[in-house]
Amino acid sequence: DAGVIQSPRHEVTEMGQEVTLRCKPISGHDYLFWYRQTMMRGLELLIYFNNNVPIDDSGMPEDRFSAKMPNASFSTLKIQPSEPRDSAVYFCASSPAGDRKTQYFGPGTRLLVL
Amino acid sequence: QQPVQSPQAVILREGEDAVINCSSSKALYSVHWYRQKHGEAPVFLMILLKGGEQMRHEKISASFNEKKQQSSLYLTASQLSYSGTYFCGTGVYNAGNNRKLIWGLGTSLAVNP
Repeated sequence: DAGVIQSPRHEVTEMGQEVTLRCKPISGHDYLFWYRQTMMRGLELLIYFNNNVPIDDSGMPEDRFSAKMPNASFSTLKIQPSEPRDSAVYFCASSPAGDRKTQYFGPGTRLLVL
Repeated sequence: QQPVQSPQAVILREGEDAVINCSSSKALYSVHWYRQKHGEAPVFLMILLKGGEQMRHEKISASFNEKKQQSSLYLTASQLSYSGTYFCGTGVYNAGNNRKLIWGLGTSLAVNP
């Protein structure tokens, strides 16, 4: 299995630009999570999906952030417009159904907004 | 709501032991332990469920005290490969939303030769 795939791995953009992060979960996993990691706040859950349906988006910072999961094998996290405080590592993770709830993380996207 | 991990950082010599603690103010039904190496993704180590047994991953074991809402990670005879940041993710009782984990800020572990 290829694991969770994220792209791009690195993104440098200027303030005000739109940023789109992409994620392909592990095949067969029912849950997909988007996290943001910073030194100050640690790992923060932004949103998670179950069978392509958003379940909890309470961690999405504000209207500038949006996430979609059009099918079981693809999800996007969009920031529009981007701001310097959005600079962080964004992780996507997926999890199979069942009691153990283990989450498998992708390699992350390092975002720098200038 | 975020669990508190202690210590924040620890430095060991190869072969020494360490204990990392994770404490929550909320009632927990599960605790997940992950290790993250610099520049990499968090990697799953083990999960402890309410009413479950102590778990082990190689020479790393963990316990879960449900009454105290605490979990401890025990690293024995540490190896250089154990270096990294250890995170606990807690499953908090929340009707209808039991997939969400709340993460601690991590414990940085450095194992030196």
